[in-house]
Amino acid sequence: EPEVTQTPSHQVTQMGQEVILRCVPISNHLYFYWYRQILGQKVEFLVSFYNNEISEKSEIFDDQFSVERPDGSNFTLKIRSTKLEDSAMYFCASSWGGGPFTDTQYFGPGTRLTVL
Amino acid sequence: ILNVEQSPQSLHVQEGDSTNFTCSFPSSNFYALHWYRWETAKSPEALFVMTLNGDEKKKGRISATLNTKEGYSYLYIKGSQPEDSATYLCAFPPNDYKLSFGAGTTVTVRA
Repeated sequence: EPEVTQTPSHQVTQMGQEVILRCVPISNHLYFYWYRQILGQKVEFLVSFYNNEISEKSEIFDDQFSVERPDGSNFTLKIRSTKLEDSAMYFCASSWGGGPFTDTQYFGPGTRLTVL
Repeated sequence: ILNVEQSPQSLHVQEGDSTNFTCSFPSSNFYALHWYRWETAKSPEALFVMTLNGDEKKKGRISATLNTKEGYSYLYIKGSQPEDSATYLCAFPPNDYKLSFGAGTTVTVRA
């Protein structure tokens, strides 16, 4: 069964460093998302991406964040200058776009980012 | 800010017992409610997408009901097994580009 994959599973970085989190969405999907969960908090939406552009982004997704689909298979989240509060589990998701609201989003296993 | 609430936060169930828990969501502008099951170190797994008031969906021993007028959904686990131990998340799409999640109900099934 097709699945969303994410690498690395765990990333440790120093404050101020740039990190790139990578995702391979399900191959025929058209919509891509990033979510994150800070320990003890709810899973929260960061950004959605369709047709090579951002569809929507949350208040969290400021200028330090960017997303890219560099080729036909990868979807990346870049944090330019990491802060301690960026420590979280980051989830990538994809959906094929069969219908708004009811479209199932398929999630990857997450990348745990630790900022020291 | 959308309020999607789940209760209880956690529960412990004896193997073989049945259990249920709640997700509440805004009843206005309802389009759908999603349920996910999330086991530690694995991807959250989609269980159900609920759309119609009164809807009931079933997957094995897990079922869900929906009341859009009062803004709640119940998830039921019948005859709980250790493999049902997981966090169950509900999510409400305020628009077609994102999901707003509840905090989850963590179920622990004791053998």
